[in-house]
Amino acid sequence: DQQVKQNSPSLSVQEGRISILNCDYTNSMFDYFLWYKKYPAEGPTFLISISSIKDKNEDGRFTVFLNKSAKHLSLHIVPSQPGDSAVYFCAASALTGGGNKLTFGTGTQLKVEL
Amino acid sequence: DTAVSQTPKYLVTQMGNDKSIKCEQNLGHDTMYWYKQDSKKFLKIMFSYNNKELIINETVPNRFSPKSPDKAHLNLHINSLELGDSAVYFCASSQTSVPSDTQYFGPGTRLTVL
Repeated sequence: DQQVKQNSPSLSVQEGRISILNCDYTNSMFDYFLWYKKYPAEGPTFLISISSIKDKNEDGRFTVFLNKSAKHLSLHIVPSQPGDSAVYFCAASALTGGGNKLTFGTGTQLKVEL
Repeated sequence: DTAVSQTPKYLVTQMGNDKSIKCEQNLGHDTMYWYKQDSKKFLKIMFSYNNKELIINETVPNRFSPKSPDKAHLNLHINSLELGDSAVYFCASSQTSVPSDTQYFGPGTRLTVL
């Protein structure tokens, strides 16, 4: 029972273009969402987050959009750079009653080509 | 100046053995976690400790026993190892157990059970 889904296992984008990574969730209790980035042989590192009271959060080249009615969020990277090549994990939690438990998707491998 | 460290990085062992993975954080955080990433890249929480007290205990076989001697350490002991225990295990920490606190991950321990 996968409550957070990333249906694209991989994505390839040209340097300088936009990368769009998608994530869907099924649990209506989730109200806080995060994106983590992971390089090979390293642990995931936090990238950006959004709470359900917002529909957009921006940090430099990274923007996360949340569509609560569709239970969908996306991460936009503009412009994409070769150093962005990594696995991106979407994660979700419930701020009330959920403790500090993060539920992760299975990740999307982003490759930014020169 | 590693924030969250794990030892060993790789662990190869035979079925039926008992092994431990150590985790230390030097961030002064109150909360620590263990996650398991299986062969399908699914990253799932196993345990969470806050100030040495167990606060999350997912459906994990009781062969897995976390031990927190102090706030900076959370070790994972696994008894009677099975083939299905082969995975990458990540330790993480956060300032508090509030879900919106960023979780910082260690580099992971790749466990292979033969």
